[in-house]
Amino acid sequence: DAKTTQPPSMDCAEGRAANLPCNHSTISGNEYVYWYRQIHSQGPQYIIHGLKNNETNEMASLIITEDRKSSTLILPHATLRDTAVYYCIVDRAGTASKLTFGTGTRLQVTL
Amino acid sequence: NAGVTQTPKFQVLKTGQSMTLQCAQDMNHNSMYWYRQDPGMGLRLIYYSASEGTTDKGEVPNGYNVSRLNKREFSLRLESAAPSQTSVYFCASTYVAGTSGGATDTQYFGPGTRLTVL
Repeated sequence: DAKTTQPPSMDCAEGRAANLPCNHSTISGNEYVYWYRQIHSQGPQYIIHGLKNNETNEMASLIITEDRKSSTLILPHATLRDTAVYYCIVDRAGTASKLTFGTGTRLQVTL
Repeated sequence: NAGVTQTPKFQVLKTGQSMTLQCAQDMNHNSMYWYRQDPGMGLRLIYYSASEGTTDKGEVPNGYNVSRLNKREFSLRLESAAPSQTSVYFCASTYVAGTSGGATDTQYFGPGTRLTVL
């Protein structure tokens, strides 16, 4: 069974915020939410992760609902270089982190 | 730091041939992973090595073997290649601090090896 559910694709205008949703209704109390992205055919790149508090770094913000059943990745000012497939993954930290990738959301940033 | 490096970048094999994909990391990570990615799909874990000297099967291990040569290097071997193994192979590494620590085990990925089996 899939641990996360994401829309297959989204569009965003350059300069606008991109909000990528993820449902993880069966998340366990000790599981974190991780976001990775894959630009074209490169190796995936880590973006951000969180447990229950909202998180922000230089790349993005992560908003996790209070019940932890869903989250949103926010790219505050999307650029053409943010066009990629974005993967939302839930996993327990400290256990050799065997990441399970779904098919992700393909974000297309347009002019 | 080079991060995670993989060789070769591209390879074409005939059915039944064997080859080894090489992966090395210079970040002093303890855990390393091999994934495959088929067109339009997400990555699937083939094998992983939680620490030097240990290896374990992932989701799709059949047809592959691995060797954790030392802390830096983790190789993937195809003994008798099949067309179904045509894919892009990614190696990754991370430092796993253990369950007593916070979530610091971010995985770093190599650029991939594009393998075609005819």
